[in-house]
Amino acid sequence: QKEVEQNSGPLSVPEGAIASLNCTYSDRGSQSFFWYRQYSGKSPELIMFIYSNGDKEDGRFTAQLNKASQYVSLLIRDSQPSDSATYLCAPRDMRFGAGTRLTVKP
Amino acid sequence: EAGVAQSPRYKIIEKRQSVAFWCNPISGHATLYWYQQILGQGPKLLIQFQNNGVVDDSQLPKDRFSAERLKGVDSTLKIQPAKLEDSAVYLCASSREGLAPGELFFGEGSRLTVL
Repeated sequence: QKEVEQNSGPLSVPEGAIASLNCTYSDRGSQSFFWYRQYSGKSPELIMFIYSNGDKEDGRFTAQLNKASQYVSLLIRDSQPSDSATYLCAPRDMRFGAGTRLTVKP
Repeated sequence: EAGVAQSPRYKIIEKRQSVAFWCNPISGHATLYWYQQILGQGPKLLIQFQNNGVVDDSQLPKDRFSAERLKGVDSTLKIQPAKLEDSAVYLCASSREGLAPGELFFGEGSRLTVL
């Protein structure tokens, strides 16, 4: 059974801090990962994806993939209250984890 | 470009009744997904279509759930008979393979309440 695990949180950080969200996966064959953001009462939307080991940066967001350790993370720099949402990770088969709820406090 | 359309937005039924949800994906998107999202949980993949063929339906409770995508465009998800635990938001998503695999575009969802 291929599984993706996330800490459901809630994770609370102050405004301006770095938020770190993690995801571990069981399928060693997974080659790519996707991070989605879901605001309360809304549908998920893609933030970014990562295919290769290492870091990928997009604005305030950095995705990190470590295939040897089978984890993928999302860092949000200079967190804003508008970043408060649930963050979902999924491998290529699009089976999402449980999501981590992030709250950024002003 | 029009987004993914879903209907109805809300549905309330009694247990053991049946319900159907409809989804129209973004034009040109070959892949269509149905997810079940129970409050406080991540979306659970129920079924994935590529054009009008089923790619993955391993998590679809086939004794009560069925889905079809005739002509490879719009899709219908049916539940018959419904149970209390089917109360959830049913999300439809579509993607266009190739340029950005894995970028799903979601509809607004259909919220089902089973009493």
